[in-house]
Amino acid sequence: DAKTTQPNSMESNEEEPVHLPCNHSTISGTDYIHWYRQLPSQGPEYVIHGLTSNVNNRMASLAIAEDRKSSTLILHRATLRDAAVYYCILGGVGDDKIIFGKGTRLHILP
Amino acid sequence: EPEVTQTPSHQVTQMGQEVILRCVPISNHLYFYWYRQILGQKVEFLVSFYNNEISEKSEIFDDQFSVERPDGSNFTLKIRSTKLEDSAMYFCASSEGLGTDYEQYFGPGTRLTVT
Repeated sequence: DAKTTQPNSMESNEEEPVHLPCNHSTISGTDYIHWYRQLPSQGPEYVIHGLTSNVNNRMASLAIAEDRKSSTLILHRATLRDAAVYYCILGGVGDDKIIFGKGTRLHILP
Repeated sequence: EPEVTQTPSHQVTQMGQEVILRCVPISNHLYFYWYRQILGQKVEFLVSFYNNEISEKSEIFDDQFSVERPDGSNFTLKIRSTKLEDSAMYFCASSEGLGTDYEQYFGPGTRLTVT
């Protein structure tokens, strides 16, 4: 049962910002929004997470809608190395497993 | 930067054989996980482990699977009698705390090929 909806794939040019959308209309008040990514032939890698407020870290920014029914992962300046599958995942405080969906495959054009 | 390591990187085995996949989690982490990814499919949760006990397991994790933390540093996944459909990438992960407020750190994976 999918809790998040993401586009199957997106393209972006190198050195430009990328906005990866995620819809989660059934999010509960205690669900965190997590983003992981999986580079080719590698294990998943944590990117960022948040609850209500927008979040920034060295990898990306997470913009969360006021009603929390959608969010956007922002890569400020895409590089070729950012080509990966990006997963938007919801998780409650007590959840100890990650349920991966199909994610968005991001292609970066040189 | 600390990282999760896994050995071997690739394991080939014959159907019906036992395999043990090994992981060394990040040293101060207390929660450990195994996931698998069949080629071209989603990453699937198998099992979580804390305080020397299984916390949660998926329906994939049947009696053929077991996990162990034998010596305080290694975390292993054993498949007793492998089947062709067990062929997949197996990822170990660890986290500092419980719950999805804590990020999970994944290893590079072990590719298991069952022939």
